Amino acid sequence: DGGITQSPKYLFRKEGQNVTLSCEQNLNHDAMYWYRQDPGQGLRLIYYSQIVNDFQKGDIAEGYSVSREKKESFPLTVTSAQKNPTAFYLCASSRFQGTDTQYFGPGTRLTVL
Amino acid sequence: AQSVTQPDIHITVSEGASLELRCNYSYGATPYLFWYVQSPGQGLQLLLKYFSGDTLVQGIKGFEAEFKRSQSSFNLRKPSVHWSDAAEYFCAVAPNTGNQFYFGTGTSLTVIP
Repeated sequence: DGGITQSPKYLFRKEGQNVTLSCEQNLNHDAMYWYRQDPGQGLRLIYYSQIVNDFQKGDIAEGYSVSREKKESFPLTVTSAQKNPTAFYLCASSRFQGTDTQYFGPGTRLTVL
Repeated sequence: AQSVTQPDIHITVSEGASLELRCNYSYGATPYLFWYVQSPGQGLQLLLKYFSGDTLVQGIKGFEAEFKRSQSSFNLRKPSVHWSDAAEYFCAVAPNTGNQFYFGTGTSLTVIP
């Protein structure tokens, strides 16, 4: 079955540590996205990538970094510079950037201890 | 400023009753419109989308939505709610000249027996 996988489902981090969240898709989509979800705030865009080896900052990119070395993979690193990283992180993909339907993975819940 | 508004933070309905969830947007031109549903701790699942044409669109799980250009609205409806419909519902807008989605803050639906 085609889809988007995210791992791990739950992640705990100590303050000052960097952590990397995995996102893989086998839908052959060119575009991929990372969102952060906090209660009562909907989804906010962190980074997006239109194509391999290219990515752009979203609305809340500070304290995060990404890479897009393969079409299927778009990992997100939450760095120690992110002041309040505890949140639910969602990865999505679409055939192309912009108006095409986005399909979501199951999410990763990150908790900073 | 561009925005997506879901005015109802939380709605409670009885099983078998009808449902309408509201979504309003403010963009210059008719955008692409989506409704997603999210169960607790899960990713978002696409319910339906509107790109053009017939302003009444049918989706999965018996949901439908109507686009009203004059009111800048895209309200989600279901004639008879089932207990399994309890979830968080998000409206999303993709401006046809933009490069990202904008999400509302969500409406949490509780279904009582």
